[in-house]
Amino acid sequence: EAQVTQNPRYLITVTGKKLTVTCSQNMNHEYMSWYRQDPGLGLRQIYYSMNVEVTDKGDVPEGYKVSRKEKRNFPLILESPSPNQTSLYFCASSSPGTLVPLHFGNGTRLTVT
Amino acid sequence: RKEVEQDPGPFNVPEGATVAFNCTYSNSASQSFFWYRQDCRKEPKLLMSVYSSGNEDGRFTAQLNRASQYISLLIRDSKLSDSATYLCVVQLPYKLSFGAGTTVTVRA
Repeated sequence: EAQVTQNPRYLITVTGKKLTVTCSQNMNHEYMSWYRQDPGLGLRQIYYSMNVEVTDKGDVPEGYKVSRKEKRNFPLILESPSPNQTSLYFCASSSPGTLVPLHFGNGTRLTVT
Repeated sequence: RKEVEQDPGPFNVPEGATVAFNCTYSNSASQSFFWYRQDCRKEPKLLMSVYSSGNEDGRFTAQLNRASQYISLLIRDSKLSDSATYLCVVQLPYKLSFGAGTTVTVRA
C-alpha cells in the first residue's frame, strides 16, 4: 500500500529534550515536506526537500532541522524543543514534477511542556 | 497579510442543503488551485482541483476568479459525511500555501 508513515503519532516531552519525528514514504517520491498545523493558522511549511541531500527552508524553519540522506526518509529534528512548538505535524510527499496530489502522513501531535 | 484566507465558519447546514464558501489569495502569480478536505485533525486529502473554467465533481463545484483572486466551493445536496474542514490550497513554484480551513457541519 502506497503511504507516508510518521512516528510517533503522539509525543509529550519537556522543554530542551531533543527529539526526532520520523517520516518514511514508499512511493519513490522525490519531493518531501514537513508542515505544522495550528488553530487559525492553517498548515505552514517548515522544511522541504526536492531530492536526496537537497533541503530548503519553508515558512517557519526556526527551531527545526531536517535531513534527507535517503529518498524514502525525511526526519524532523527538534534539537531543543520549546512550548511554542506544541503543534500537529504532518509529513508529506509527492511525485516529481508536481506538488499535487500531496500525500500526507497520519500526523504527529507534539506537546512540549 | 496571509497568503490564503478563508472564512473559518462553522457553516451548520441541514442534510440536503447547499452550502458555498470562498477563499481569497494574495499572490497574483499563483499557478494552480485546489480544495483539500480534512476530517477532525486527520491528514488532509485532495478533494478536487480548481480549473479556470470551473469544474464539478459529483455534488461539488469549484470556481476560480483570477481577476478578483478568489476560489469557491459549492456543495449540493449535503450529506452527513460532508462534515469536515475544507482547506483552500494555492500553488506557487515549489510551494503550496494552505488556508486555515472552513468548517462545515451537516446535521440530520
